[in-house]
Amino acid sequence: KQEVTQIPAALSVPEGENLVLNCSFTDSAIYNLQWFRQDPGKGLTSLLLIQSSQREQTSGRLNASLDKSSGRSTLYIAASQPGDSATYLCAVGSGTYKYIFGTGTRLKVLA
Amino acid sequence: DTGVSQDPRHKITKRGQNVTFRCDPISEHNRLYWYRQTLGQGPEFLTYFQNEAQLEKSRLLSDRFSAERPKGSFSTLEIQRTEQGDSAMYLCASSLQGENGYTFGSGTRLTVV
Repeated sequence: KQEVTQIPAALSVPEGENLVLNCSFTDSAIYNLQWFRQDPGKGLTSLLLIQSSQREQTSGRLNASLDKSSGRSTLYIAASQPGDSATYLCAVGSGTYKYIFGTGTRLKVLA
Repeated sequence: DTGVSQDPRHKITKRGQNVTFRCDPISEHNRLYWYRQTLGQGPEFLTYFQNEAQLEKSRLLSDRFSAERPKGSFSTLEIQRTEQGDSAMYLCASSLQGENGYTFGSGTRLTVV
C-alpha cells in the first residue's frame, strides 16, 4: 500500500529565504507526482506535475524534483514571499487516475 | 469555462439528515473524481467516473454515500443519515483522459452538528 509522508509538517521562514519541502513515498512504482498548494479553507491548486520518466519540473520560482528509486520528491521555492504562505501537498499518482496525498507542509513566510 | 465548480461552498446539517453536493467539471473533461479531506489531513480518494460510468469506489464510501454522474456531465454526491464523522471538506476534481493532472474545485465544507 502506497504511503506518502511530508516533512516538515510546518515551516516558518523570513521573507526572501530559499526553502525545500520534502515528500517521500513507499512504493517507487508510481505513475506521476503532483505538487499542490492549498490556502486555508480552499480547494487545491496544481503547481507542478512530474511524470515518472522525468527528473524535475520548473515553474517560475518553483522547482520540483523526483527520485523514484529512493522514493523522494522535493519542492524548492526560491526567494520566498508572504504570498507563498499556504499548505503544500504532495500527491503520488498510483495509476492513471488516482492520487495518494501526503498530509502537507504548512508554510508561513514572514514579512 | 471557469474551472471546476462545487455547490454549496458550506453546508451545516443536523445529524441524521441527508445532504447532496454538486460538482460541475470542466466541460471537456470526461473524468471526474471525489475526494474527502478532514482537518490536518491530505485528501483521500472516494470515487471516480469516466463519462457516466463509476469505475471505482473507495472503501471509505460506505453504504450511506452515493455518487452519480448522469449523462457524463455534472456529478452529485449524496450522504444519507449524516454522522458527525462525515464532517469534512468534499473536493471534486476533473481531468481529460490521456492527460495527467487534476483540476480541483474549491470544495464543499460539511459540518454535521
